[in-house]
Order: sequence, then C-alpha cells, then structure tokens
Amino acid sequence: EPEVTQTPSHQVTQMGQEVILRCVPISNHLYFYWYRQILGQKVEFLVSFYNNEISEKSEIFDDQFSVERPDGSNFTLKIRSTKLEDSAMYFCASTRWTGVEQYFGPGTRLTVT
Amino acid sequence: AQSVTQLGSHVSVSEGALVLLRCNYSSSVPPYLFWYVQYPNQGLQLLLKYTTGATLVKGINGFEAEFKKSETSFHLTKPSAHMSDAAEYFCAVILLGSGNTGKLIFGQGTTLQVKP
Repeated sequence: EPEVTQTPSHQVTQMGQEVILRCVPISNHLYFYWYRQILGQKVEFLVSFYNNEISEKSEIFDDQFSVERPDGSNFTLKIRSTKLEDSAMYFCASTRWTGVEQYFGPGTRLTVT
Repeated sequence: AQSVTQLGSHVSVSEGALVLLRCNYSSSVPPYLFWYVQYPNQGLQLLLKYTTGATLVKGINGFEAEFKKSETSFHLTKPSAHMSDAAEYFCAVILLGSGNTGKLIFGQGTTLQVKP
C-alpha cells in the first residue's frame, strides 16, 4: 500500500540554523500539507500546497518558513533560521482531493537547541 | 471561529469496558469529520470519517462514530476496549465552502488509557 514517507525521522539543530524537512507524498496525490505538533499539544496546520503554489498558510507560517516541490516526488519544508520554539514533530500529509482523508507521514521530530 | 473541542484530555477505562471519546465542532455548515489515532512515537492513522450519507460510520479496530448535526457532535465509541487501544485520539474537521483548501483542524486530543 502506498504511504507517505518523511526524512529524517529526527533532526537536532542549533538555534539560527537552517533545516530542510523532506517528504515524499503518495504518487498520484495532488494536495500537500505540513502540520506540526509541539510536545503535548494538538496538531496544527502550517501550510497547504497545490499546483506548485501555496494555497493557504497559517499564522505560524511566517517568512522563516518556505515549502517547495522541487521535482515530481519530493515536498520540502524549510525553516531558514530556527528558533527554540520551532522544536516540534512535523507531519507531512497528502491527498488526491480536498475534503477526503489525508494520509500522514510518520513525522520528523525537530529539536532546536 | 471554527473549532473542534474534545472533552476530556485523558480518559481511562478498564479492558473490556465501553470507550467513549467526545468531540464537538463549531461551524456554520456541517464539516467533514475525522478521527485519527496516534500510537506512541508514530504518525497519525485514520480511524474513520464522515463526509455524507449514513451518520453512523464504522472504522478500523472496532471503532465507530455518529454524526449528530443537532448536537454538532461526532463522538467516538468502541463497545469493548483492548489494551492495544491505548493511544492519543484526535478529532478533526475539514471545513467546506469556497476557498476550502482541505486543511484539517484538530481538536486538542484525548489520551486513552486502558487498564487491565
């Protein structure tokens, strides 16, 4: 069964460093999302992406964040200058159509020290 | 603002007992509704969903949920809890209407503990 994959599973970085989180969505899906979950808190929407552009972003998704689909398979989330409060689990999700179930990757745990 | 509320951040039941996890939403139009489960150190797995049609929906692992429009609720139930059901459960909605990008809005989550 197709699945969403994410790499790395855990990333430790120092404050101020850039990080790139990578996702490979399911191949025939068209809509892509990033969510994050700070430890002990709920899952929060960051950004949605369709047709090679951002379709919606949350207040969390400020100028330090960017997303890209550099080729036909990868979907990346970049944080330019990490802050301590960026420490969280980041989930990628994809779906073929809006309004139906999204398939989640296993997540990348980002630790900013 | 649209939101999802899960009553009870922690629910503890005995093995074999009924599981009831509560979820209420606020939205001007009925949304699409989902329950996801998260096992320790894992990602989110879909348990069940309601989009249209029958309001009682059945999911994996013996779980089911009923959409009650009048109560704006989508509570999750399972007749008999197993130890393996211990996990975090998230209720989520997708709001419909123009500009819908399909983003999920999650509740705070409920940790289910199953006691032997």
